[in-house]
Amino acid sequence: DAKTTQPPSMDCAEGRAANLPCNHSTISGNEYVYWYRQIHSQGPQYIIHGLKNNETNEMASLIITEDRKSSTLILPHATLRDTAVYYCIVTSGNTGKLIFGQGTTLQVKP
Amino acid sequence: DVKVTQSSRYLVKRTGEKVFLECVQDMDHENMFWYRQDPGLGLRLIYFSYDVKMKEKGDIPEGYSVSREKKERFSLILESASTNQTSMYLCASSTSTGGKRETQYFGPGTRLLVL
Repeated sequence: DAKTTQPPSMDCAEGRAANLPCNHSTISGNEYVYWYRQIHSQGPQYIIHGLKNNETNEMASLIITEDRKSSTLILPHATLRDTAVYYCIVTSGNTGKLIFGQGTTLQVKP
Repeated sequence: DVKVTQSSRYLVKRTGEKVFLECVQDMDHENMFWYRQDPGLGLRLIYFSYDVKMKEKGDIPEGYSVSREKKERFSLILESASTNQTSMYLCASSTSTGGKRETQYFGPGTRLLVL
């Protein structure tokens, strides 16, 4: 599975959009981009995933560039409860194994 | 909603004890996983299972074993607990579609302290 690169930390004002970037320049054609988050002392929570097209659900939007080498997770109206570590993971799904990097610590501030 | 439950949120054991961590999922998922999470090391895969009575080693299986006698239950066993197994243990499950393992759903975690 391809490796991902994320900034270690970001801040966001409450009520504003949080845009979390992820680079995955070695992604293969059959690999998906997954986003999970982990709130302190809890298990990781699935947010969204995509292959080529942009995706949106009730939690977030995922924008994948046309060359698929990077993506952005967008939380449209961040709240204090969105403070967490966000993980971008690339996987083909063949083995089901997920490789979690260090992620981005998002701090939402009042 | 998918629900993955783990038998304990917090556990304290002594060195040399045999420790059982239980995980149960209610979505009839084929695949189940055990991870441990340590500061600075992220989540690391210990063992996983694609079906009942099947098991595969992950990246750090040493000192652990697993059991999957029923589809919904996946147990992690520490045969003789050691202090370096103090960690947060996370269980996850996923379904398979057309040979592809889908989204993993995680339990709340068990924080194990070995004294």
